Amino acid sequence: AAGVIQSPRHLIKEKRETATLKCYPIPRHDTVYWYQQGPGQDPQFLISFYEKMQSDKGSIPDRFSAQQFSDYHSELNMSSLELGDSALYFCASSVTGVGGDEQYFGPGTRLTVT
Amino acid sequence: AQKITQTQPGMFVQEKEAVTLDCTYDTSDPSYGLFWYKQPSSGEMIFLIYQGSYDQQNATEGRYSLNFQKARKSANLVISASQLGDSAMYFCAMSSEGYQKVTFGIGTKLQVIP
Repeated sequence: AAGVIQSPRHLIKEKRETATLKCYPIPRHDTVYWYQQGPGQDPQFLISFYEKMQSDKGSIPDRFSAQQFSDYHSELNMSSLELGDSALYFCASSVTGVGGDEQYFGPGTRLTVT
Repeated sequence: AQKITQTQPGMFVQEKEAVTLDCTYDTSDPSYGLFWYKQPSSGEMIFLIYQGSYDQQNATEGRYSLNFQKARKSANLVISASQLGDSAMYFCAMSSEGYQKVTFGIGTKLQVIP
């Protein structure tokens, strides 16, 4: 079965640079979520989109922005990167109205800021 | 606000034995979902099992079962016949009904001993 696809899988950036993470949800899933997991931490919710509209917002820095496109893929844009942004970034997708709204996670993008 | 509490930072279990990972939660939402995810050392977040707050029966998925006690607000994960490949971090999580963010606990690190 198709899973959530994230690219790139690994990314190394320097401080003050920008990064763009991409997420391709499971086909027919209408909701995308972004999470940030720091080293030794539990994932923290950043932002979500339902049918291309922002549906919820968590602890996302102002330096970050995200959007969901017409094909339902989503991009997380991160500017003025800081050392503390080094983390594993997960995208998850779900489909509303079916089952229990289980969120299926992608493999994650490991961002290292040097 | 939702809160997940996992009080076992680490657990050991002998191969082929069963193990219970504890999880308690707090929410004021009348309808919610409870999840368990497995995160191996490679980093991906693997969905294991889901329990809806109105489900009458405890969820089961293969060797995984969720011991849901609504009055106690607990959602313990039971893994039967542990395998070496079960060694990982396990996160309990919850979300409100609908396309809502998932709130995670801090995780329990399970190690299966040969």
